[in-house]
Amino acid sequence: QQQVKQSPQSLIVQKGGISIINCAYENTAFDYFPWYQQFPGKGPALLIAIRPDVSEKKEGRFTISFNKSAKQFSLHIMDSQPGDSATYFCAATPNDYKLSFGAGTTVTVRA
Amino acid sequence: NAGVTQTPKFRVLKTGQSMTLLCAQDMNHEYMYWYRQDPGMGLRLIHYSVGEGTTAKGEVPDGYNVSRLKKQNFLLGLESAAPSQTSVYFCASGDGIPNYGYTFGSGTRLTVV
Repeated sequence: QQQVKQSPQSLIVQKGGISIINCAYENTAFDYFPWYQQFPGKGPALLIAIRPDVSEKKEGRFTISFNKSAKQFSLHIMDSQPGDSATYFCAATPNDYKLSFGAGTTVTVRA
Repeated sequence: NAGVTQTPKFRVLKTGQSMTLLCAQDMNHEYMYWYRQDPGMGLRLIHYSVGEGTTAKGEVPDGYNVSRLKKQNFLLGLESAAPSQTSVYFCASGDGIPNYGYTFGSGTRLTVV
């Protein structure tokens, strides 16, 4: 049973559009929420992360929104580009060293 | 280049055969992990280590064993491979400081026939 539920499984967006990926969790001990990006044939790589003491974090075109009361967080990719086509994983941890990952979302950006 | 190196990259095993996957990191990280990635299942933790000489079970440890005799190496063993162990295996390492995240290897694609 996955501790972090991620949706959708896949999405297609036009170049310049917004991609939105949602994650939900139950364990209130989770206190660190990273997102990983994985290109085909490669291992995942850290993209952006947030702590629950802030509601939003932005790095370039990537933004995490966090709703502590709803136990949900989401990744927004603004002005999506073909190079953003990848699989994205949300994750969470209560202890800074052992992550639980969501099932992943495959994003395809059409030119 | 610094990072996490996994060997082999591909392997086909027959049911019942054994093998060892090797993970090596040169970043002096304390923590190391083995994950498996399956379609629709995400990354599931098999075993992990919080330091040299230590190992612990993750979410899906059955059928696997691990050893960390040296800080830089983390070995994953399959004693008697089963078709259900067909997967892509990723090793990762980290220093326990969240902002640096994990560093993943490029994966081992294992097929058990």
